[in-house]
Amino acid sequence: TQLLEQSPQFLSIQEGENLTVYCNSSSVFSSLQWYRQEPGEGPVLLVTVVTGGEVKKLKRLTFQFGDARKDSSLHITAAQPGDTGLYLCAGAGGGGADGLTFGKGTHLIIQP
Amino acid sequence: NAGVTQTPKFQVLKTGQSMTLQCAQDMNHEYMSWYRQDPGMGLRLIHYSVGAGITDQGEVPNGYNVSRSTTEDFPLRLLSAAPSQTSVYFCASSFGGKETQYFGPGTRLLVL
Repeated sequence: TQLLEQSPQFLSIQEGENLTVYCNSSSVFSSLQWYRQEPGEGPVLLVTVVTGGEVKKLKRLTFQFGDARKDSSLHITAAQPGDTGLYLCAGAGGGGADGLTFGKGTHLIIQP
Repeated sequence: NAGVTQTPKFQVLKTGQSMTLQCAQDMNHEYMSWYRQDPGMGLRLIHYSVGAGITDQGEVPNGYNVSRSTTEDFPLRLLSAAPSQTSVYFCASSFGGKETQYFGPGTRLLVL
């Protein structure tokens, strides 16, 4: 069974601060996806990282895939109240295994 | 495109009642899945389908049935509702199990 551990589980910071959330596993993933979920809605894909060491930027969000493809991080610069939400990472298994393994998520609150 | 639609949005059931949660997608996706989301547990896969006529169990299939008679529709049936099935249910579709998942808005179910 492949597990993804996300940390921290909860994070509340002031607007303008920087933050990093982590997604770690002992398993290797062929790719890793990050989703954001707002209250009352389903998760929406932010980014997919595929190559070990890959870095992708989405405005103030920077996503990194670990060299060994076992972990990933999401860094937000100058957080805004609109960044508030539940951030989920999901890993695609290697080999022929189908489906995604989701982490439990990081609840992020950005206070004005 | 409407994307992934789910009905109903809210439902209250009594223990022992049965019901069907509807899910439809108009993106011609072969892969569809059902998740439940509970506090502290993250998204857990209930059942999934890789195409019309093919279904398989996920992580937490007990108490639920699915069928896939068409590409578009993937209903989830609760056979005899139990309080432990109180949850938020999300349907998702994609081109494949490892690809971007497109989630519906969710059905919030309370079993008394």
